[in-house]
Amino acid sequence: EPEVTQTPSHQVTQMGQEVILRCVPISNHLYFYWYRQILGQKVEFLVSFYNNEISEKSEIFDDQFSVERPDGSNFTLKIRSTKLEDSAMYFCASTIKMNTEAFFGQGTRLTVV
Amino acid sequence: AQSVTQLDSQVPVFEEAPVELRCNYSSSVSVYLFWYVQYPNQGLQLLLKYLSGSTLVKGINGFEAEFNKSQTSFHLRKPSVHISDTAEYFCAVSGPNSGYSTLTFGKGTMLLVSP
Repeated sequence: EPEVTQTPSHQVTQMGQEVILRCVPISNHLYFYWYRQILGQKVEFLVSFYNNEISEKSEIFDDQFSVERPDGSNFTLKIRSTKLEDSAMYFCASTIKMNTEAFFGQGTRLTVV
Repeated sequence: AQSVTQLDSQVPVFEEAPVELRCNYSSSVSVYLFWYVQYPNQGLQLLLKYLSGSTLVKGINGFEAEFNKSQTSFHLRKPSVHISDTAEYFCAVSGPNSGYSTLTFGKGTMLLVSP
């Protein structure tokens, strides 16, 4: 069964460092998403991506964040200068088209120290 | 904008007992409703969804949910739970603002099934 894969499963980084979280969406999917969940809080939408550009982003997704699809398979989330409050579980998701089922990856737990 | 409230952060239940996990949403427009499950160390998996039509929706693993527009609720139920149902359950909603493509989640309910 096709699945969304995320690497690494856990990343520890020092405050101020850049971090890149990687995702491989399902191969025939066209819409890609990043969500995050701070410990004990809700899963929150960060950004959606379609046709090589951002289609929607939340208030959380400020200038410190960027997304990219560098090749035909990977979808990355970059945090330029990490802060302690960026510590969270980050989920990647993909859909074959709009308003269809979103398939989620296992998540990357980011710990900023 | 829409929001989701899951009233219980944790629900302990004995094996083979029935369970109901509560979800209420707020929105001034029509929405789509979802329940996702997260097993330990795994991603979010879709249990069931309501887009339109019958208000009683059946999903995987014996779960079902009923959409109640007047009460703005979408409670998840299972008549008899198993130990393996122990997981975190998330209610989510999508609306026309994002073309029904992005999800707004509740805080989640941890279902703890004991023997």
